[in-house]
Amino acid sequence: EVQLLESGGDLVQPGGSLRLSCAASGFTFVSYGMTWVRQAPGKGLEWVSGIFGSDSSTFYADSVRGRFTISRDNSKNMLYLQMNSLRAEDTAVYYCATRQFYFDDWGQGTRVTVSS
Amino acid sequence: EIVMTQSPATLSVSPGDRATLSCRASQSVTSNLAWYQQKPGQAPRLLIYGASTRATGIPARFSGSGSETEFTLTISSLQSEDFAVYYCQQYNDWPLTFGGGTRVEIK
Repeated sequence: EVQLLESGGDLVQPGGSLRLSCAASGFTFVSYGMTWVRQAPGKGLEWVSGIFGSDSSTFYADSVRGRFTISRDNSKNMLYLQMNSLRAEDTAVYYCATRQFYFDDWGQGTRVTVSS
Repeated sequence: EIVMTQSPATLSVSPGDRATLSCRASQSVTSNLAWYQQKPGQAPRLLIYGASTRATGIPARFSGSGSETEFTLTISSLQSEDFAVYYCQQYNDWPLTFGGGTRVEIK
């Protein structure tokens, strides 16, 4: 059974940084692309970033490019999202999901609040 | 960026009735279109990918159709557990984009 467990969400001030983690199990992690999707309070889904399994190529939404960095540690079955220069509009629940194009399995999310 | 537009925003349906949800892309996404269901307080669940292929474990009452710019998700006979928000998402081009969602509520 695929399991994805996000962590690292917190209350942070504007301009601050956070690192989200996603612990994956139940599948061959190195073979799968992975994705971060977020959902602001009361809003719809927004794709944030993806990373291929094969060559770790990375892709970003324009809204986060240059501020967020996605990475993975295949030896630990871990996915990360380093978030810098956080803004109020980054406030959301952040989900990790399997695959890089459409998203098969999802974690339960971790909440990030950017506020002073 | 490909803009995905879903309609209607809210659909009121009686249990047992058919629900038809629409999704339009601002340019062709060929068949690179997925549908998700999300219930309050839960993560989204993949229903359909490739515009018409049901994901593992998805009941046959869910079906997807369409190509290029016009897509439809049909729920043939709504069950109580189907009342939720539904999102379409294109994966034909970066950045990947979602529609704004259709809420299916009990009539």
